[in-house]
Amino acid sequence: DAGVIQSPRHEVTEMGQEVTLRCKPISGHDYLFWYRQTMMRGLELLIYFNNNVPIDDSGMPEDRFSAKMPNASFSTLKIQPSEPRDSAVYFCASSQGGGNSPLHFGNGTRLTVT
Amino acid sequence: AQSVTQLGSHVSVSEGALVLLRCNYSSSVPPYLFWYVQYPNQGLQLLLKYTSAATLVKGINGFEAEFKKSETSFHLTKPSAHMSDAAEYFCAVSDLTGNQFYFGTGTSLTVIP
Repeated sequence: DAGVIQSPRHEVTEMGQEVTLRCKPISGHDYLFWYRQTMMRGLELLIYFNNNVPIDDSGMPEDRFSAKMPNASFSTLKIQPSEPRDSAVYFCASSQGGGNSPLHFGNGTRLTVT
Repeated sequence: AQSVTQLGSHVSVSEGALVLLRCNYSSSVPPYLFWYVQYPNQGLQLLLKYTSAATLVKGINGFEAEFKKSETSFHLTKPSAHMSDAAEYFCAVSDLTGNQFYFGTGTSLTVIP
């Protein structure tokens, strides 16, 4: 099993540009989560999907953020337009669901907005 | 909502010494509890999980944690620290559905040679 795969690993962009982060969850996992990690705020849940359907997006900071899951093996997180305060590490995680199923994290995308 | 508290954002131990990282949770029912480790520039990796089968849970890399309901604690221990244990450690609790995970703020472990 290749685990959760995220791309790119690093993204550097200028303020105002569109950024798209990608995630491939573990096959068979019905739940997909997007987290953001910063020194100031720690790990924050942005949104999660169940069977490709967004269930809770209350953590999405602004309308500039959007996430999609067109099929069971792919999800994107888009920021448009990007701002310097969006600089963070963005993690995708997947799970089989159920309280005793742990999250499996990807290695993250480090986003720097200048 | 549930919450997790990790006491001590930074812990330093000597190589070979006992590692103790503290985690307390707030929950009205026995939750599912997890410890994750994060090495630099990597994602979080599952160390161990408590799912009510046994109060003492053994994980990878020699770590273990004990669930104490009376103290609402789930502290992580390792008898002898190794240099490779230096990392950030996160305690987490999930609700019964597994849809919501609540993470602590993390504890950075430094191992002194």
